[in-house]
Amino acid sequence: EPEVTQTPSHQVTQMGQEVILRCVPISNHLYFYWYRQILGQKVEFLVSFYNNEISEKSEIFDDQFSVERPDGSNFTLKIRSTKLEDSAMYFCASMMGGLTDTQYFGPGTRLTVL
Amino acid sequence: KNEVEQSPQNLTAQEGEFITINCSYSVGISALHWLQQHPGGGIVSLFMLSSGKKKHGRLIATINIQEKHSSLHITASHPRDSAVYICAVSETGNQFYFGTGTSLTVIP
Repeated sequence: EPEVTQTPSHQVTQMGQEVILRCVPISNHLYFYWYRQILGQKVEFLVSFYNNEISEKSEIFDDQFSVERPDGSNFTLKIRSTKLEDSAMYFCASMMGGLTDTQYFGPGTRLTVL
Repeated sequence: KNEVEQSPQNLTAQEGEFITINCSYSVGISALHWLQQHPGGGIVSLFMLSSGKKKHGRLIATINIQEKHSSLHITASHPRDSAVYICAVSETGNQFYFGTGTSLTVIP
């Protein structure tokens, strides 16, 4: 069965460094999402992406964040200058289309900022 | 911003029991999502609803748009159902607001 993959599974970085989290969505999917979950807290929406542009973004998704679909398969989340509070699990999800279609989640990348 | 409330926060059940988890939200939506988060952290989509009722195996999800309320039912619960169940809502289908989750433990 097709699945969403994410790399790396765990990333440790120093405060102020840039990180890129990578996702490979399911190949025929058209809608892409990034979410984060700080340890012990609820899942939070970051951004949705369709047709090579951002559809919607949350207040969390400020200028230090950016997303890109550099080729036909990858979907990346870049954090330019990491802060301690960026430490969280980051989930990518993809969906083929349609309002009530299923979102398929990747296994997540645990980001630790020291 | 849509406020999403789930109840109960924690639930312990005996194997075989019928379980109900509730979700209410503050602003009218176009879609509601029920998710299951496993103890290892992985997230699986169970249902996406915009109206009515959906059934998949032992799971049933209902939504009442007028009441701004949804329920997730598990019939004949099993220890493998132990997980956190999360409700998420969207007005546009693009941005989702999440509840804090209901932690379910099913005891053999």
